[in-house]
Amino acid sequence: NAGVTQTPKFRVLKTGQSMTLLCAQDMNHEYMYWYRQDPGMGLRLIHYSVGEGTTAKGEVPDGYNVSRLKKQNFLLGLESAAPSQTSVYFCASRFRGFDEQFFGPGTRLTVL
Amino acid sequence: GQQVMQIPQYQHVQEGEDFTTYCNSSTTLSNIQWYKQRPGGHPVFLIQLVKSGEVKKQKRLTFQFGEAKKNSSLHITATQTTDVGTYFCAGQEINTGTASKLTFGTGTRLQVTL
Repeated sequence: NAGVTQTPKFRVLKTGQSMTLLCAQDMNHEYMYWYRQDPGMGLRLIHYSVGEGTTAKGEVPDGYNVSRLKKQNFLLGLESAAPSQTSVYFCASRFRGFDEQFFGPGTRLTVL
Repeated sequence: GQQVMQIPQYQHVQEGEDFTTYCNSSTTLSNIQWYKQRPGGHPVFLIQLVKSGEVKKQKRLTFQFGEAKKNSSLHITATQTTDVGTYFCAGQEINTGTASKLTFGTGTRLQVTL
């Protein structure tokens, strides 16, 4: 089992460019989450999904969109990147009924 | 919205010394989880506390959940270099539905030197 994987691992964008981050899990987890981690601020929830075809906003959703067309994949999109979106992005997943979240290795995004 | 604060932000200890990090929530929690993140790595689940006043131990690590379910602590006895990393608490508010959204604390970075 690969667990939770994230693509790409690193990316540099220019302001205004768009990109999609992919999260994939092979554990058949129902719930998936996208977080961003900034120095001194812990992890903040961007969007989450409780099942295929459903998504909801988290604490800091502005500037991001998500989609969960397949149960194993959760995509995070940036339509027009801004320097304030420079961060490390983590995806996580978990089983319904169990609270432990399993995290992917992260994507380091720099927006110039 | 809910806020979860941790202190200290950073602690540097010599190997063999004890270490404690404290977590405080602005609201009453349903449960609290602790995660460890090694430098350059991703958060890894350590434990979950659910009951008021609960204490759990994992080898040299002791976790406590406050009576009011608004605070928690992690104590490491006789630190080792393998304990290096950032420790996060993450609280789940009561009545967040089935999503079990977590609010992460700001983290405590532990450095251990020989």
